[in-house]
Amino acid sequence: AQKVTQAQTEISVVEKEDVTLDCVYETRDTTYYLFWYKQPPSGELVFLIRRNSFDEQNEISGRYSWNFQKSTSSFNFTITASQVVDSAVYFCALSPSGTGNQFYFGTGTSLTVIP
Amino acid sequence: AAGVIQSPRHLIKEKRETATLKCYPIPRHDTVYWYQQGPGQDPQFLISFYEKMQSDKGSIPDRFSAQQFSDYHSELNMSSLELGDSALYFCASSSRNYGYTFGSGTRLTVV
Repeated sequence: AQKVTQAQTEISVVEKEDVTLDCVYETRDTTYYLFWYKQPPSGELVFLIRRNSFDEQNEISGRYSWNFQKSTSSFNFTITASQVVDSAVYFCALSPSGTGNQFYFGTGTSLTVIP
Repeated sequence: AAGVIQSPRHLIKEKRETATLKCYPIPRHDTVYWYQQGPGQDPQFLISFYEKMQSDKGSIPDRFSAQQFSDYHSELNMSSLELGDSALYFCASSSRNYGYTFGSGTRLTVV
């Protein structure tokens, strides 16, 4: 079974604070992909990162960083020095490798950055 | 760069009417997916197509049908609309799980 759990439903931080969004996944597949998407109030799903299950290297992109730990089945997302524009719902998703496989989304974490 | 195009962006229909949503994938992407996102919910997978053939099916109601055409665009047909069908409908396209990209969504309101 495939499952993604985002235990944090809502998070509020004050601007310039760092914040980590947790994502824990379950899968029996040995090859899979993990994703993070941002959904601002306008509604579109904005791609942030894709990670292959064989690639456990952490990644940093500007103020964003991701920590993938296969041993704990976690793919956490950290925003450094948060800004008001970071306010959005963030979804973690899992997709088994292969053609045409669907995404399994977590329930999302609503982040509010307070000025 | 070209993105996934969905039309229309917004749609208002009455109960029991029919709606057709269109999706134009990124060129050379061979797989199209449809998702439904209700208010405050995470996106739920409806159906996917690979090379114009249905490849996976999720929680798509029998009142809904979809297909992928020879030019790879896809249409989601929704009949006998119900109030509960009001949602944001996303289309995504990919090529071998790379470049999985979502469209901006169609917001369907059933009144």
